[in-house]
Amino acid sequence: AQKITQTQPGMFVQEKEAVTLDCTYDTSDPSYGLFWYKQPSSGEMIFLIYQGSYDQQNATEGRYSLNFQKARKSANLVISASQLGDSAMYFCAMREDNTDKLIFGTGTRLQVFP
Amino acid sequence: EAGVAQSPRYKIIEKRQSVAFWCNPISGHATLYWYQQILGQGPKLLIQFQNNGVVDDSQLPKDRFSAERLKGVDSTLKIQPAKLEDSAVYLCASSPKGTTGMNSPLHFGNGTRLTVT
Repeated sequence: AQKITQTQPGMFVQEKEAVTLDCTYDTSDPSYGLFWYKQPSSGEMIFLIYQGSYDQQNATEGRYSLNFQKARKSANLVISASQLGDSAMYFCAMREDNTDKLIFGTGTRLQVFP
Repeated sequence: EAGVAQSPRYKIIEKRQSVAFWCNPISGHATLYWYQQILGQGPKLLIQFQNNGVVDDSQLPKDRFSAERLKGVDSTLKIQPAKLEDSAVYLCASSPKGTTGMNSPLHFGNGTRLTVT
């Protein structure tokens, strides 16, 4: 069974600094995809970044990058140059190749302070 | 393109009452999902549709929850009768691909916040 673990309930970071949000996963399927979503206080889920299990390079999208360590089964999100608007819940999620089902972790609440 | 539409935005009911939520996915998206997000937790998949057929409803409490997607477009999720523990945000999401679209992100609506008193 697939499983996503986010061990940081909350993180603080100063504006303009970088922050890493941890995510580990467990799956027996060799083909899978990893996603990060942002959920502001307004409630919508915003897709940030995707990493495929066979991708050779770490994914990047603007200020977001994914530190993918396949052997360790970790897919940490790195946010560079944090902004006040980055304050939100962040969810790591995984989808195995044989299903469209997206399984979420418990989330990390990020707070950016001036 | 228009996003995933959900209504109502908020709903307050008493326990043992019934409630229904509506979702209209992004046009052309074949796959539709309903998630339940209890406060402080990650979203939990309740049911997944591929067009108008159910792909996965293993986590749907079928004694009280039901969902349909009759014409393969919009969907309704119903709870009858509601319990206190059903208080949560109900998120609808859609995806453009079927089971081969592993890298297609799910697009979420703004959710319906249900409070059961």
